[in-house]
Amino acid sequence: GAVVSQHPSRVICKSGTSVKIECRSLDFQATTMFWYRQFPKQSLMLMATSNEGSKATYEQGVEKDKFLINHASLTLSTLTVTSAHPEDSSFYICSALTGGGETQYFGPGTRLLVL
Amino acid sequence: QKEVEQDPGPLSVPEGAIVSLNCTYSNSAFQYFMWYRQYSRKGPELLMYTYSSGNKEDGRFTAQVDKSSKYISLFIRDSQPSDSATYLCAMSPGGYQKVTFGIGTKLQVIP
Repeated sequence: GAVVSQHPSRVICKSGTSVKIECRSLDFQATTMFWYRQFPKQSLMLMATSNEGSKATYEQGVEKDKFLINHASLTLSTLTVTSAHPEDSSFYICSALTGGGETQYFGPGTRLLVL
Repeated sequence: QKEVEQDPGPLSVPEGAIVSLNCTYSNSAFQYFMWYRQYSRKGPELLMYTYSSGNKEDGRFTAQVDKSSKYISLFIRDSQPSDSATYLCAMSPGGYQKVTFGIGTKLQVIP
């Protein structure tokens, strides 16, 4: 099946720093990618929809100035957590939608710990 | 009330058993229903995708949707130890856009 990678898989950073997470579709082009967040004992929550070449669409309650999304190519979307704080510690996972929208493939996720 | 309710388990069954996993939801706009399987330290992978009410079968897996009761199920026949994973229900008003996930049920199939 199609593969979506994420990098890094795990990151620890100090409060106030910024962290960039990459999501790549390895063997297909993805016009649309999604970013999710999962806190412990909670479900995956959609943060934003990322469309190649245009601004991301953020879900209610997600700060677009804090979670910067760039989808500059058909195979790469990045999520930058700016001025990270301990409450941003979570599991961030991306997914990529195949060109025709037939299915979406998830990356393995990135675990972020902000100290 | 959460939009999608799912019992987190864990659910332990002996090998060969029939497994029943369920979710309830409250949003009448949901038209597309999905089940994902997630192994530890991996991303979710799509198992079943159904539109509106009815049944869909794929090998040992059967998905059922009852929109009148706002209830969906996934049945796994002849369960195997390799089926041990977390199963997430998911649903949306339109395809893969605006998908809402359940919390996931952790399943363990004991040899």
